[in-house]
Amino acid sequence: AQSVTQLGSHVSVSEGALVLLRCNYSSSVPPYLFWYVQYPNQGLQLLLKYTSAATLVKGINGFEAEFKKSETSFHLTKPSAHMSDAAEYFCAVSGAVFTGNQFYFGTGTSLTVIP
Amino acid sequence: DTGVSQDPRHKITKRGQNVTFRCDPISEHNRLYWYRQTLGQGPEFLTYFQNEAQLEKSRLLSDRFSAERPKGSFSTLEIQRTEQGDSAMYLCASSLAPGQSRNTEAFFGQGTRLTVV
Repeated sequence: AQSVTQLGSHVSVSEGALVLLRCNYSSSVPPYLFWYVQYPNQGLQLLLKYTSAATLVKGINGFEAEFKKSETSFHLTKPSAHMSDAAEYFCAVSGAVFTGNQFYFGTGTSLTVIP
Repeated sequence: DTGVSQDPRHKITKRGQNVTFRCDPISEHNRLYWYRQTLGQGPEFLTYFQNEAQLEKSRLLSDRFSAERPKGSFSTLEIQRTEQGDSAMYLCASSLAPGQSRNTEAFFGQGTRLTVV
């Protein structure tokens, strides 16, 4: 069984400040982990993914995430927030490629960037 | 290929009516997924196909819901006798199947927002 928990349904940061969005996962098999971003009334866009290669994953728009097995975490960070980063962010987990790949999403974190 | 496309983008229907949504996946993707997303929640898995075969259905998929992918390309999701609780964003995604590639990420469409009045 797989699941993710996103701590904090709402996060506010000042423009230029560090962005930290938290995600903890539970998985009975080696996990694949993803971060997606969703703008209002839009679908989901993949930011980055962890698929058992490097534990520090770099994605689009300056975001990165680090897979920490000991902490079962996959937190998303960005050194300097931009106004255009304001959106809903979803962490997701799936089984590794050889066991099927239904995706299980967290409940999302809404990021507000304050000018 | 421009990605996963869904039609319509928005649908308003009266309670009790039937609605059908369409999803066109990325052409080389043989897996297709349907998700439902309600306000303030993450997407919830409904069902998925590999080619034309429906391999799994969530318990969220009541008997009023039916999905098809007759030729292994586009898919339709039909909701019969709609209820107000069906109001949500319905998302379609596609991917390659395990074994074809290690790159099995899902690409999502922009969704169909259903409002039942």
